[in-house]
Amino acid sequence: QQQVKQSPQSLIVQKGGISIINCAYENTAFDYFPWYQQFPGKGPALLIAIRPDVSEKKEGRFTISFNKSAKQFSLHIMDSQPGDSATYFCAASRTDSWGKFQFGAGTQVVVTP
Amino acid sequence: DGGITQSPKYLFRKEGQNVTLSCEQNLNHDAMYWYRQDPGQGLRLIYYSQIVNDFQKGDIAEGYSVSREKKESFPLTVTSAQKNPTAFYLCASKDRENIQYFGAGTRLSVL
Repeated sequence: QQQVKQSPQSLIVQKGGISIINCAYENTAFDYFPWYQQFPGKGPALLIAIRPDVSEKKEGRFTISFNKSAKQFSLHIMDSQPGDSATYFCAASRTDSWGKFQFGAGTQVVVTP
Repeated sequence: DGGITQSPKYLFRKEGQNVTLSCEQNLNHDAMYWYRQDPGQGLRLIYYSQIVNDFQKGDIAEGYSVSREKKESFPLTVTSAQKNPTAFYLCASKDRENIQYFGAGTRLSVL
């Protein structure tokens, strides 16, 4: 069963626009929610992460919004740049589960010039 | 440079053959993981190891085997029992902050 559902599957945004990717989870025991960025042929790299004690976290142009009651979290990429073109994965885990992450299916983002 | 090193980058398997994917880390992390990545399916956990000489099955362990004889090394063998091995395989390790660090991956194809 897919414990983390991610949407949309793909996204095309113009340079300077906002990219929004959404994830929903089922297990209320999850307490760590990272986003990973992956370029073609490369391994994923941590982009930004949040814990459920805060509703928002911002790092540069990247923001996570977290809604604990709705069991949803989202990634916003502000002022999208062509270099942001990549696949983005959300994930969720329990801190006491030895890092066993449940990953979303991924969103391919293309930023057009 | 600290990190996760996976080799080879590309690997071809003949039918009935076992192949081994290498994963080495110099980050001094206890926990290591193997994932399989297929298009549109995200990352699925094959095996994970919390400590040397111990490992656990993940969600899709059938047809795979691992060993953890050294802290730095966590090789994955794709056995002939894995009937659909074509995929991108990713190795990762985890620090005490629960952050996973990934290698660059090995792309396995069937001849």
